[in-house]
Amino acid sequence: GAGVSQSPSNKVTEKGKDVELRCDPISGHTALYWYRQSLGQGLEFLIYFQGNSAPDKSGLPSDRFSAERTGGSVSTLTIQRTQQEDSAVYLCASSASGGRNTQYFGPGTRLTVL
Amino acid sequence: DAKTTQPPSMDCAEGRAANLPCNHSTISGNEYVYWYRQIHSQGPQYIIHGLKNNETNEMASLIITEDRKSSTLILPHATLRDTAVYYCIAVKTSYDKVIFGPGTSLSVIP
Repeated sequence: GAGVSQSPSNKVTEKGKDVELRCDPISGHTALYWYRQSLGQGLEFLIYFQGNSAPDKSGLPSDRFSAERTGGSVSTLTIQRTQQEDSAVYLCASSASGGRNTQYFGPGTRLTVL
Repeated sequence: DAKTTQPPSMDCAEGRAANLPCNHSTISGNEYVYWYRQIHSQGPQYIIHGLKNNETNEMASLIITEDRKSSTLILPHATLRDTAVYYCIAVKTSYDKVIFGPGTSLSVIP
């Protein structure tokens, strides 16, 4: 079946603009995760959804970052007033029900803030 | 979640076994050991996981010490396509947040 998809694959924006990144999880997966990976760095946890609720938002780096999930499926990560340090690959993953279930990752969105 | 430590980098000759170590000395009884890998410019990919018994699948074997304080991921016949960053993480059965460390960058050399 289809895996996790993310769009756009690449996004170039100007400093100060808002951006929206989309994640389509595997059908039926209730858990959804967002991570950020800066060049040459490891994965940084941002936020986790179980269904439409986000029990863990501890990784969001600032109030410029927000995420929502509707219908227990698609999720959108929004970054307001982008800064150059926001440049990174944003990865989305989904799993059957969270916890120790295997996470399946999407290909990521490469965000470049000029 | 238990912290895991891995060597930052390793080399392995093509066709030989790659043995990637992971230390998780503070692991608790309900935490599983998971391994993922990330090939350049791709999202991480699940490899294998285990609790206390050794595990094997089509990709790799996982050897967990009896005291569960460390484990080793074994790629039996490494190929150039196995060049990647390998992440070892400890995941609780009910806690949903997963923390990835810097991992081990494995280079398979022809």
